[in-house]
Amino acid sequence: SQTIHQWPATLVQPVGSPLSLECTVEGTSNPNLYWYRQAAGRGLQLLFYSVGIGQISSEVPQNLSASRPQDRQFILSSKKLLLSDSGFYLCAWMEGSYNSPLHFGNGTRLTVT
Amino acid sequence: ELKVEQNPLFLSMQEGKNYTIYCNYSTTSDRLYWYRQDPGKSLESLFVLLSNGAVKQEGRLMASLDTKARLSTLHITAAVHDLSATYFCAVDMNNAGNMLTFGGGTRLMVKP
Repeated sequence: SQTIHQWPATLVQPVGSPLSLECTVEGTSNPNLYWYRQAAGRGLQLLFYSVGIGQISSEVPQNLSASRPQDRQFILSSKKLLLSDSGFYLCAWMEGSYNSPLHFGNGTRLTVT
Repeated sequence: ELKVEQNPLFLSMQEGKNYTIYCNYSTTSDRLYWYRQDPGKSLESLFVLLSNGAVKQEGRLMASLDTKARLSTLHITAAVHDLSATYFCAVDMNNAGNMLTFGGGTRLMVKP
């Protein structure tokens, strides 16, 4: 069966510090991979998605970036965090059949101080 | 730009009552998804609706899709406290199944 791992679960970082969140999927090949952000009490905002290694599409211009160095690995990064980057970050994957739902990781709660 | 609107945003109801959550979207799509999120947790998939007239049921929840009206409903029958959560609908942006736009969520609180 497929599983998705996302870490760390919580993170407190000062403004201006770098960020690296990692997500890996097991049990599937060539999944679509996604990074979403959820502000407190709000809906989900799509940040990045990837349909293959090295292929990244950005939905929202900002100081975040994403990379997919391996088929089942998706990384969210920032060189300098802003206060507004605080939120709940969710990695998700979807099978290529396009009739299946997004499967979400457990999320990373990021607080920028 | 695709917009997905849910209403109500917040719903407080008594156990045993019925209610419906609505999800309207602004562009043509044949794919709609419902998710549940418990406080502080990630999202769990509830239903995948893939065609006009699709209806799915699981326990006390039933979801339906009317693509002509661009409307999906999530009906709650005889609510119980365990159903308290935030419910999100999500619509496939490009009808290819790989880009979802989420509604703002409906926070449901079921009181004993």
